[in-house]
Amino acid sequence: SQQGEEDPQALSIQEGENATMNCSYKTSINNLQWYRQNSGRGLVHLILIRSNEREKHSGRLRVTLDTSKKSSSLLITASRAADTASYFCATDRDNYGQNFVFGPGTRLSVLP
Amino acid sequence: EAQVTQNPRYLITVTGKKLTVTCSQNMNHEYMSWYRQDPGLGLRQIYYSMNVEVTDKGDVPEGYKVSRKEKRNFPLILESPSPNQTSLYFCASTGEGRNEQFFGPGTRLTVL
Repeated sequence: SQQGEEDPQALSIQEGENATMNCSYKTSINNLQWYRQNSGRGLVHLILIRSNEREKHSGRLRVTLDTSKKSSSLLITASRAADTASYFCATDRDNYGQNFVFGPGTRLSVLP
Repeated sequence: EAQVTQNPRYLITVTGKKLTVTCSQNMNHEYMSWYRQDPGLGLRQIYYSMNVEVTDKGDVPEGYKVSRKEKRNFPLILESPSPNQTSLYFCASTGEGRNEQFFGPGTRLTVL
């Protein structure tokens, strides 16, 4: 079964708007990561948040983590057409942090 | 340039014909993984390796083999491919003490 589940499955917004994607997971984690994938290409790491952190920022990205609800959100502020991509959350399931589980992803379209 | 390379990038084959997809990284990373990506299912981990001669099953290991004889290489072997192994495959690596995965460009495999 999927550990991570992103929501919504697809999101379409105008350039300049903010985009929020959510991720839920089922078991305890050491950390949660967000990745971006441009159509059919390799994933690119965006940001990692550890289980003892609640919020993290990186440029226009803001990630929150609520371990009590087993959920995370990724906020992209002032979106650009170049942000059009699929976004995935990934969680680790073992103490070594290498047994990863990815959700099915959110497809973000930013319209010019 | 730090990178993960995969070969071939595209492959069309027939049921039962053994094939190997190579993966190589030049970052001296300890950890390497193989994933398959299917529409609506996100990425699913096939196998991962913590170091040379140390491999472990991910979520979907059936029908696949791996080996880690050298630190930089982590080939994926399909002894007898079947049509349900038609997918987009990604190799990834991670440095020790880190969780950020570096992904290869992907191999699109079609089994007829």
